[in-house]
Amino acid sequence: GQQLNQSPQSMFIQEGEDVSMNCTSSSIFNTWLWYKQDPGEGPVLLIALYKAGELTSNGRLTAQFGITRKDSFLNISASIPSDVGIYFCAGQGTGNQFYFGTGTSLTVIP
Amino acid sequence: DVKVTQSSRYLVKRTGEKVFLECVQDMDHENMFWYRQDPGLGLRLIYFSYDVKMKEKGDIPEGYSVSREKKERFSLILESASTNQTSMYLCASSLPGTKGDAFFGQGTRLTVV
Repeated sequence: GQQLNQSPQSMFIQEGEDVSMNCTSSSIFNTWLWYKQDPGEGPVLLIALYKAGELTSNGRLTAQFGITRKDSFLNISASIPSDVGIYFCAGQGTGNQFYFGTGTSLTVIP
Repeated sequence: DVKVTQSSRYLVKRTGEKVFLECVQDMDHENMFWYRQDPGLGLRLIYFSYDVKMKEKGDIPEGYSVSREKKERFSLILESASTNQTSMYLCASSLPGTKGDAFFGQGTRLTVV
């Protein structure tokens, strides 16, 4: 199955810094989703995007659905220690299946 | 609140055992999915179901089967567990098509010894 290209693979940042990660696909998607996964837990949905160009915020998180419909990015502003985890993107085309990125591991140094 | 519940957080099974992983959702979602997650490999789809008694193979169905007798419940079965099936298993559910987002359970960490 298709896997999305997610970058960077890992990030080490100071508390208070902003974070940016992105996801690209070779296929067009109708939906982009961003998840956070804590160690030993299931992914939790952070933001969902349904239209090309859409920009959506959830607290300190902002995500955008790329105009080409083949990419999306997630920004975290003013990072805090509890932002630590793995962030995944997911895309969905016209079918029922979701396709996932390989994840970005975020470490926040206090 | 949306809820997907997996029956076990941690399981340890012996090689050759038959293993059942259960998943229940309370959102009346048509679609349900089973993934396994391994370091460096991301989430890989094992099976999914878009309706009761319907199932479709994902990317890595070998060694697994599934059962969906009721809309809210989707079971993953390892017919004869092997050590290479040691993994984190994640269940998810969604509305059909592009109408809804995928919600995950808390995961089952399976170790086969």
